[in-house]
Amino acid sequence: EPEVTQTPSHQVTQMGQEVILRCVPISNHLYFYWYRQILGQKVEFLVSFYNNEISEKSEIFDDQFSVERPDGSNFTLKIRSTKLEDSAMYFCASSSGTGGPYGYTFGSGTRLTVV
Amino acid sequence: GQNIDQPTEMTATEGAIVQINCTYQTSGFNGLFWYQQHAGEAPTFLSYNVLDGLEEKGRFSSFLSRSKGYSYLLLKELQMKDSASYLCAVRDPDSWGKFQFGAGTQVVVTP
Repeated sequence: EPEVTQTPSHQVTQMGQEVILRCVPISNHLYFYWYRQILGQKVEFLVSFYNNEISEKSEIFDDQFSVERPDGSNFTLKIRSTKLEDSAMYFCASSSGTGGPYGYTFGSGTRLTVV
Repeated sequence: GQNIDQPTEMTATEGAIVQINCTYQTSGFNGLFWYQQHAGEAPTFLSYNVLDGLEEKGRFSSFLSRSKGYSYLLLKELQMKDSASYLCAVRDPDSWGKFQFGAGTQVVVTP
């Protein structure tokens, strides 16, 4: 079964440092997303991406965040200057549609710890 | 406002049935999804409802009433591996497939 792959699985970084989280969505999917889940809290929407541009972003997705699809396969989330409160599990997801029974396929996540 | 409510935790015995309720008040509706999430892992898709009624898929069934803003996930013949968090999620019709998730219901299956 096709998978969404994320690397790294764990990342520890110092406050103020830049991190790049990487995702390879399912190859025939067109819609890409980043969500995050702070430990013990709900899964929160960060950003959606379609046709090489951001479709929608949440209030969490401020100027410190950016996304990119640098080639035909990778989808990255960059946090420019990490803060302690950015510590969370970050999930990439992809979908073949935005209606009907097209749910997400989530990646296994990157656990980001900011120290 | 946007709100999705589900119980925090439920405990049931192996072989039993558990029903997880979800109520939602959202500005729009384009389908309700249930996901299963084991600790430290990604959510995995379980079910989808967009019309009122019951959808059955093996040991798992999901029900939707749009007029009541209510859904439930029914887990039958519980197995130990069903111990997980179950997330209710509503898709926003006015966005590019954005989901709003409930906080999840932790189901603990005991021997």
